[in-house]
Amino acid sequence: KAGVTQTPRYLIKTRGQQVTLSCSPISGHRSVSWYQQTPGQGLQFLFEYFSETQRNKGNFPGRFSGRQFSNSRSEMNVSTLELGDSALYLCASSSRTGEETQYFGPGTRLLVL
Amino acid sequence: GQSLEQPSEVTAVEGAIVQINCTYQTSGFYGLSWYQQHDGGAPTFLSYNGLDGLEETGRFSSFLSRSDSYGYLLLQELQMKDSASYFCAVRDSGAGSYQLTFGKGTKLSVIP
Repeated sequence: KAGVTQTPRYLIKTRGQQVTLSCSPISGHRSVSWYQQTPGQGLQFLFEYFSETQRNKGNFPGRFSGRQFSNSRSEMNVSTLELGDSALYLCASSSRTGEETQYFGPGTRLLVL
Repeated sequence: GQSLEQPSEVTAVEGAIVQINCTYQTSGFYGLSWYQQHDGGAPTFLSYNGLDGLEETGRFSSFLSRSDSYGYLLLQELQMKDSASYFCAVRDSGAGSYQLTFGKGTKLSVIP
């Protein structure tokens, strides 16, 4: 099985812009979770989607949003980018919501200038 | 809120055994997981403890004591390729969200 894929792998944006990141889960996996990883805060949960519905949400501002499509692919959007949004954004898939084994993609490294 | 504490760095010699501890405070607890992440790589799942006791997977073992809110990851017969960051994570239901919360990670350096 192909692993979790994320596009793009690297991205440079300026403050105030918006960005959309994409995640394709492992075939057959219906749950996709998004995480932000920074040196200072570590891995922080953003949200989880299952069957096109947001099931869980972390403690991030409303500028961070996401969605999931019927083929389980997911997108994450960040509007009005701030310098502090520079991070590695990871998505992880699992076969069902709340499953302990999460399969992570390689991440999208976002730099906000 | 939830919090997990683990050492920031550990150094050990190739062939030796190392233990990485994790203590947690959560408002609801479902289990403790461990993930490995090499520099520039994605986290990969290592183990999960839902009940007290030891789980063994090859050279890696993980232990959980729910009464002590404590767990550890034990790596035996260390190899150079084990140099990586190790994260403990808890699945809990605090703040109304059933989510995986990660510790800040322990950077393990294996030296010859």
